[in-house]
Amino acid sequence: AQSVSQHNHHVILSEAASLELGCNYSYGGTVNLFWYVQYPGQHLQLLLKYFSGDPLVKGIKGFEAEFIKSKFSFNLRKPSVQWSDTAEYFCAVTAANFGNEKLTFGTGTRLTIIP
Amino acid sequence: ETGVTQSPTHLIKTRGQQVTLRCSSQSGHNTVSWYQQALGQGPQFIFQYYREEENGRGNFPPRFSGLQFPNYSSELNVNALELDDSALYLCASSLGTSSYEQYFGPGTRLTVT
Repeated sequence: AQSVSQHNHHVILSEAASLELGCNYSYGGTVNLFWYVQYPGQHLQLLLKYFSGDPLVKGIKGFEAEFIKSKFSFNLRKPSVQWSDTAEYFCAVTAANFGNEKLTFGTGTRLTIIP
Repeated sequence: ETGVTQSPTHLIKTRGQQVTLRCSSQSGHNTVSWYQQALGQGPQFIFQYYREEENGRGNFPPRFSGLQFPNYSSELNVNALELDDSALYLCASSLGTSSYEQYFGPGTRLTVT
């Protein structure tokens, strides 16, 4: 069974600072990787996803993530954060092409941006 | 295009009672997955329905059951409610079961007292 670790539970940054949120997964096979965001009072939204191909994927709102297979990592980055990025961020993984692709989520990272 | 909708928004039940939560999938989506999100945790997979059949189940007891209807909407039923069932219940729909993005609804907040 797959699992996901997000080691940063709460990150506090000032506006314009650079962001990197860690995500590591454990699974021996091929995976699909996702970052979801949950803004206060809103539902989970997909930021970006990796299925195959270029390991550097770009998502909405200036976010990007890099899949490093050898490190089982899929870290989320943004060069300059804004106050509106304050939210909970979840990394998730599915076992690719399994026919029942349940999302396995990490425990989430709460991001607070100080104006 | 209508997104995923869930009802009710909030629900308060007493321990031992039964509850039914509803989900309408996004137009064109034939797969619905249900997740439980406890406070301060990531969502946990309960089960998935594909074309009206259960297509995988997470580590939840049999008192958690579901249905999917011909229009691909879905219900989650929980019997004999326990205090630990208090959580946000999320429904997600997708075009299929493999390598498809899942779109989430706003959730139903269940409180068991």
